[in-house]
Amino acid sequence: AQSVSQHNHHVILSEAASLELGCNYSYGGTVNLFWYVQYPGQHLQLLLKYFSGDPLVKGIKGFEAEFIKSKFSFNLRKPSVQWSDTAEYFCAVNPNNAGNMLTFGGGTRLMVKP
Amino acid sequence: DAGITQSPRHKVTETGTPVTLRCHQTENHRYMYWYRQDPGHGLRLIHYSYGVKDTDKGEVSDGYSVSRSKTEDFLLTLESATSSQTSVYFCAISPGQGRYEQYFGPGTRLTVT
Repeated sequence: AQSVSQHNHHVILSEAASLELGCNYSYGGTVNLFWYVQYPGQHLQLLLKYFSGDPLVKGIKGFEAEFIKSKFSFNLRKPSVQWSDTAEYFCAVNPNNAGNMLTFGGGTRLMVKP
Repeated sequence: DAGITQSPRHKVTETGTPVTLRCHQTENHRYMYWYRQDPGHGLRLIHYSYGVKDTDKGEVSDGYSVSRSKTEDFLLTLESATSSQTSVYFCAISPGQGRYEQYFGPGTRLTVT
């Protein structure tokens, strides 16, 4: 079955450490890609999106993601995390033949220790 | 944040009672969605709408119905609530017209006792 995988379910980092969260998908063809963040007790918020063009996408709060088509990956990165980045992060994929539907990965819980 | 509100924000109800959750948007977006979020299951799509009176089922639609009589409102009804429907319910909207991102409402925490 076509899917979106986030292999790291829980990540614990110290402040100022670098972050990379993995996202892999199994859809062939053109895709649109997203990362969302959900702070404790809140709703999902869009961090960044990739539709086409430069595969390195910059989002809000200092996050960026790189689309590597050959690896079917869209990993999220941040050079230096802060305690306020503690949240759950979701990758989502919109295959080009799926209308306005998103398939979400299972999420990665990030805890940043002060 | 996109103009999306959900009501109620919290509800406790008894098994077997009907429950309606409301999602209201002020963005005039074409698409609207209902998801449920449960520990260990991530986000699962219940129903979605691609226009007024146009709706379709998602992956976990059993026990739920929806209606969209106006662009701005999307209602989710649990005809006879069960304990397995205890969850956090999120509404989302998407512009369409070549834009695929979804924007989420604040959520409704529903407890069925």
